[in-house]
Amino acid sequence: SYDLTQPPSVSVSPGQTASITCSGDKLGDKYASWYQQKAGQSPVLVIYQDTKRPSGISERFSGSNSGNTATLTISGTQAMDEADYYCQAWDSNTWVFGGGTKLIVL
Amino acid sequence: EVQLVESGGGLVQPGGSLRLSCAASGFTVSTNYMGWVRQAPGKGLEWVSVIHSGGSTYYADSVKGRFTLSRDNSKNTLYLQMKSLRAEDTAVYYCARGALIGRTGYYFDYWGQGTLVTVSS
Repeated sequence: SYDLTQPPSVSVSPGQTASITCSGDKLGDKYASWYQQKAGQSPVLVIYQDTKRPSGISERFSGSNSGNTATLTISGTQAMDEADYYCQAWDSNTWVFGGGTKLIVL
Repeated sequence: EVQLVESGGGLVQPGGSLRLSCAASGFTVSTNYMGWVRQAPGKGLEWVSVIHSGGSTYYADSVKGRFTLSRDNSKNTLYLQMKSLRAEDTAVYYCARGALIGRTGYYFDYWGQGTLVTVSS
């Protein structure tokens, strides 16, 4: 089975840039998506096809994917960005999620 | 506006059955792929099942043989029939609309609010 690995938590100061990684075997050969889930809410798509932002998602969110690692970058991090973030990819008719990363805005 | 409204969750004993529904509006379920994703208390997201527009269904190994995904095009509704439920099936179950880029860029672009399933005696 295919696995995606994320760090359990990432801390960032307000206004700084946060980077959340997602690792998987040859992940760069697949498309990565990212979801934001705030406490008590449903997940929201923030990045798809490695780098694209859905309508309504802040330009502060960006993504990249190369080699074995996909990265979600949040620039000018705000308190409202504090949430759990999940990466996701597709492999052989299986939709795989990473374990999630809690973004802590200190 | 795309909306997904799940229902049918509740408390069920181990070994029991439950059917979840997901009523969609703002789009047609039969022309999209649709899926269910669950989240156990305090845990991460876990993919459960997907049905493609053509009707093909796929399941996570953890639920294969116990869960069945179907849809009613006339009601624009998705169903997840769950049997032989176990304590480890306890989770919030989210219905999600699928999207596809190219041949392998599968992701979920809209999610419902979720329905809680608790398996306990």
